[in-house]
Amino acid sequence: DVKVTQSSRYLVKRTGEKVFLECVQDMDHENMFWYRQDPGLGLRLIYFSYDVKMKEKGDIPEGYSVSREKKERFSLILESASTNQTSMYLCASSPGQGSSVGANVLTFGAGSRLTVL
Amino acid sequence: QKEVEQDPGPLSVPEGAIVSLNCTYSNSAFQYFMWYRQYSRKGPELLMYTYSSGNKEDGRFTAQVDKSSKYISLFIRDSQPSDSATYLCAMRGDNAGNNRKLIWGLGTSLAVNP
Repeated sequence: DVKVTQSSRYLVKRTGEKVFLECVQDMDHENMFWYRQDPGLGLRLIYFSYDVKMKEKGDIPEGYSVSREKKERFSLILESASTNQTSMYLCASSPGQGSSVGANVLTFGAGSRLTVL
Repeated sequence: QKEVEQDPGPLSVPEGAIVSLNCTYSNSAFQYFMWYRQYSRKGPELLMYTYSSGNKEDGRFTAQVDKSSKYISLFIRDSQPSDSATYLCAMRGDNAGNNRKLIWGLGTSLAVNP
């Protein structure tokens, strides 16, 4: 019954490593999102995508990039991980703007907790 | 000032209590209002959805929107230990430009004690 799957629940990486976080949804949703969640700062939008091969910067895109080659898959890339990127990363998807109600209903994955040492 | 303010708590109540969770906001263009529930080590899940002003009820949960006061509330009746979670409010404007983006509260941590 899992609809948004994040490939790794827990990762530990070294400073400077390249990190890939994968997200796959099986609901044929147009929209996909990457957030990070930190205590006291809440959910912050990193990048989002409204269509295949399309991406838009969120509120905190610095140090991150994304890839959406297929509709169901949205990847978050940390080119050179730093300790301040230690966080919980949440992927979400929602239907397209054709349904204004549905577009607001985000389905989240279980999260990927990344620790950068 | 943040666009959406939400008291992070923590809020601790006995089982059976009525719980009131609230968010205030500053942007009068917000039209869509949501409450998400997040259990520990899980992603948020949609709990309640309201368009514009008014009340919406679903079982033990009631969502209220007061656009004149820029204030939204979530009430939980007969609270249960299984309601222990973090509750996040989220809201946005219409479909135009930046108004499409969801704005989130920080979340309120709730513990319901048996």
